[in-house]
Amino acid sequence: SYVLTQPPSLSVAPGQTARITCGGYNIGNKRVNWYQQKPGQAPVLVIYYDGDRPSGIPERFSGSNSGSTATLTISRVEAGDEADFYCQVWGSSDQAVFGGGTKLTVL
Amino acid sequence: EVQLVESGGGLVQPGRSLRLTCAASGFTFDDHAMHWVRQTPGKGLEWVAVISWQGGYTEYADSVKGRFSISRDNAKNSLHLQMNSLRPDDAALYYCVRDTLGVPGRSSYFDPWGQGTLVSVSS
Repeated sequence: SYVLTQPPSLSVAPGQTARITCGGYNIGNKRVNWYQQKPGQAPVLVIYYDGDRPSGIPERFSGSNSGSTATLTISRVEAGDEADFYCQVWGSSDQAVFGGGTKLTVL
Repeated sequence: EVQLVESGGGLVQPGRSLRLTCAASGFTFDDHAMHWVRQTPGKGLEWVAVISWQGGYTEYADSVKGRFSISRDNAKNSLHLQMNSLRPDDAALYYCVRDTLGVPGRSSYFDPWGQGTLVSVSS
C-alpha cells in the first residue's frame, strides 16, 4: 500500500515560515490534500489539489507538489496556527491514505 | 450550514458488534460520496471506508475489510457503519466525512468532517 511520510514535529517562531513536508513515491503524480487539526477539534481542509485553498482559509497557507515531496507552507506563522497537519492522497487501490501527521508548535 | 453528526459509539466487548450512524444536513446528501475515518486517541488519521452517492460502490481499508460494512439511506440523509467482530485495535474516534464528489477518486477530498463518535473495545 502507498505510504506517506511526514516529520513528527516542527517548531517555528511567530512571524516565520513553516514548511511541512509529505514524502511519497512519485507523489508529484498525485493530488495532495492537507488537513489541519487543532486540539479537541475535527480536522479541517486547508489545501486541496496540491495548492488550492478553500474559502475561509488565509492566503498565508499554500501548497506545492513535485517529484517525491509535497509541501504545505504557512507564511507569517501565528500562535493560532498551532495544530497537527495531515497530508492525504488516494492510493492505487481506491483507498485514501493519510500521512502520519506533523505537530506544528509555535514558539 | 453543513452538519454531520455521528452517534452510536460506546464501549463494546471484543468480538461484538456496533453500528454507527451519521446524520447529515445542510446539503444535498445524495450528491456526495461519504466516508468514515478514524483516529486513535493521540494518534493519526486512518481512512476506514467509502460509499458512493447512490451506494453502488464501496471500498474499505484492508484492516476492516470483511468485518465492517458501510451503507447509506438517502431518503433519511444518513450514513451507517456496521462494525462486526470488533477488536481492541478498532478503538478510536470515528469521523463521518463528506467527499467533494459523488464517486471518490483522485480528484476528491474530505470536507467537512463531523465531530466524531468514540468507540471503545475492551472486556
